[in-house]
Amino acid sequence: DIQMTQSPSSLSASVGDRVTITCQASQDISNYLNWYQQKPGKAPKLLIYDASNLETGVPSRFSGSGSGTDFTFTISSLQPEDIATYYCQQYDNLPSFGQGTKLEIK
Amino acid sequence: QLQLQESGPGLVKPSETLSLTCTVSGGSISSSSYYWGWIRQPPGKGLEWIGSIYYSGSTYYNPSLKSRVTISVDTSKNQFSLKLSSVTAADTAVYYCARHIVVVTARGWFDPWGQGTLVTVSS
Repeated sequence: DIQMTQSPSSLSASVGDRVTITCQASQDISNYLNWYQQKPGKAPKLLIYDASNLETGVPSRFSGSGSGTDFTFTISSLQPEDIATYYCQQYDNLPSFGQGTKLEIK
Repeated sequence: QLQLQESGPGLVKPSETLSLTCTVSGGSISSSSYYWGWIRQPPGKGLEWIGSIYYSGSTYYNPSLKSRVTISVDTSKNQFSLKLSSVTAADTAVYYCARHIVVVTARGWFDPWGQGTLVTVSS
């Protein structure tokens, strides 16, 4: 099984801050990595697929990068509506998710 | 646009079988480009993929749940279903259905998701 480790598990930042979340795979997964946003009480929403491709309609302040085992998700300027938990998901093998990063406003 | 809606009992007794159905609207479940998946989330915890099915009936399951899971599809009703047997309190979770956009067999991303349904396992 491929293990996905996200860090940090929680994060507090101010509006306008640049926010970065990392996801590390237990083995090389090429660029087979997706990012989701889950707001409280809601279903997850796809933001980025294939490590760096922005899903249609997703604001450009969200971005992703990386390949192999190390991946980064970035919000360039945090907005109040970005408060959520973010998950990475690999698909080099059968799908598995990271444990999530809870983002709060400072 | 494509929408998915989960339905089924919200309370299941221990040792019994959990049964849920996902109804797809705004698109055909028989599209050749997609699988259809189930994902669950225990209260306050992370996401766990349960399994996915192709319209032909081909299935892929999470190895940790495979012995207890059956996913089926009814193309005439544009629905797919989940059965999880011998449930315990550890199976209490919000269960989501989602379109599984695949790049390689059963490998890809999930979009969109249903709103989710809470299933509690309790006597």
